[in-house]
Amino acid sequence: ELKVEQNPLFLSMQEGKNYTIYCNYSTTSDRLYWYRQDPGKSLESLFVLLSNGAVKQEGRLMASLDTKARLSTLHITAAVHDLSATYFCAVSNKLIFGTGTLLAVQP
Amino acid sequence: ETGVTQSPTHLIKTRGQQVTLRCSSQSGHNTVSWYQQALGQGPQFIFQYYREEENGRGNFPPRFSGLQFPNYSSELNVNALELDDSALYLCASSFPGSYNEQFFGPGTRLTVL
Repeated sequence: ELKVEQNPLFLSMQEGKNYTIYCNYSTTSDRLYWYRQDPGKSLESLFVLLSNGAVKQEGRLMASLDTKARLSTLHITAAVHDLSATYFCAVSNKLIFGTGTLLAVQP
Repeated sequence: ETGVTQSPTHLIKTRGQQVTLRCSSQSGHNTVSWYQQALGQGPQFIFQYYREEENGRGNFPPRFSGLQFPNYSSELNVNALELDDSALYLCASSFPGSYNEQFFGPGTRLTVL
């Protein structure tokens, strides 16, 4: 059974700081997705990572994928309050989601 | 381009009742997936439909059933509702060649009393 774990589950960080969210999955997957969810809202697609070594960046967020280690990271650079949300990684074409990381950026 | 839409937005039912949730896919998308998201948890895959055929199912009992129509809209039906069925139900659509990037609708919040 494919399992996806994220850490940390909760992350409180100050504006301007950098941090990384980790996503580990238990079996081989050729693709990994990152989504953002604001409270009470639906999911917004952030990144689709398709191959080993893939790196994608959008604004202050950068995602990478290491398929050999079954690990993806979401790096936050110089956090701002607008990035506060829950971030999910997901694998496989049926989207098996991780536990989510609640990010709170404090002024 | 119209995004994924869902109806209704909110719904309150009692135990034992049946419910039907509806989803209209994004234009050009022929694959629809349904997810259940309990409060404070990640979405759980219920099932996926591709060109009106079920194309995979998660660990949900048979009282969760679905349909996809020729226009690629979809329904999720839940029979014999239980308290634990209270959740946000999300549908997502995708199309071949998009690396299965799924685009989510706003969700239906179901409360079972």
